Amino acid sequence: AQSVTQLGSHVSVSEGALVLLRCNYSSSVPPYLFWYVQYPNQGLQLLLKYTSAATLVKGINGFEAEFKKSETSFHLTKPSAHMRDAAEYFCAVRTIYNQGGKLIFGQGTELSVKP
Amino acid sequence: EAGVAQSPRYKIIEKRQSVAFWCNPISGHATLYWYQQILGQGPKLLIQFQNNGVVDDSQLPKDRFSAERLKGVDSTLKIQPAKLEDSAVYLCASSQELTSGSEETQYFGPGTRLLVL
Repeated sequence: AQSVTQLGSHVSVSEGALVLLRCNYSSSVPPYLFWYVQYPNQGLQLLLKYTSAATLVKGINGFEAEFKKSETSFHLTKPSAHMRDAAEYFCAVRTIYNQGGKLIFGQGTELSVKP
Repeated sequence: EAGVAQSPRYKIIEKRQSVAFWCNPISGHATLYWYQQILGQGPKLLIQFQNNGVVDDSQLPKDRFSAERLKGVDSTLKIQPAKLEDSAVYLCASSQELTSGSEETQYFGPGTRLLVL
């Protein structure tokens, strides 16, 4: 069975500092991995996805993530945090087709950005 | 391109009452998902449709939850009777037709926030 673990339910950084949100996955097959962001009272918005092409994936709003098979990780980074980055971030792995292709989400990491 | 539409945005009911949520996916998207997001947790799939057929409803509490997608377009999710633990955000998502090895992105609606008192 596939699963996702996000380390740290809450991360706080200062504006302009590096953002690092951790995600480890478990999958018996090559995974498709996703990062979504959720702003208060809104749905989930796709930040980026890994689909077995380049291991370094660039997304929207200056975020990127690197797929590391040896570490079963897909950590999300941004060089310089902005106040508008404050939100909840979810890492997800997609099941293979014969399991319906549904997304399995981590429990989320709330990012706070201090001025 | 219009996104996934959901209504209502908020609903407050008392336990044992019934409630229904509506979702209109992105035009042309064959696959529709309903997720339940309890406070402090990631979304969990309740049911997945491919056109008007059910692909996965293994996590749907079928004694109280039901869902349909008539005509393969919009969908309704119903809870009857509601329990306190059903308080959550109900998210609808859609994607283009799912095929083997598909990397299709799921697009989410704004969600319906349900509070059961």
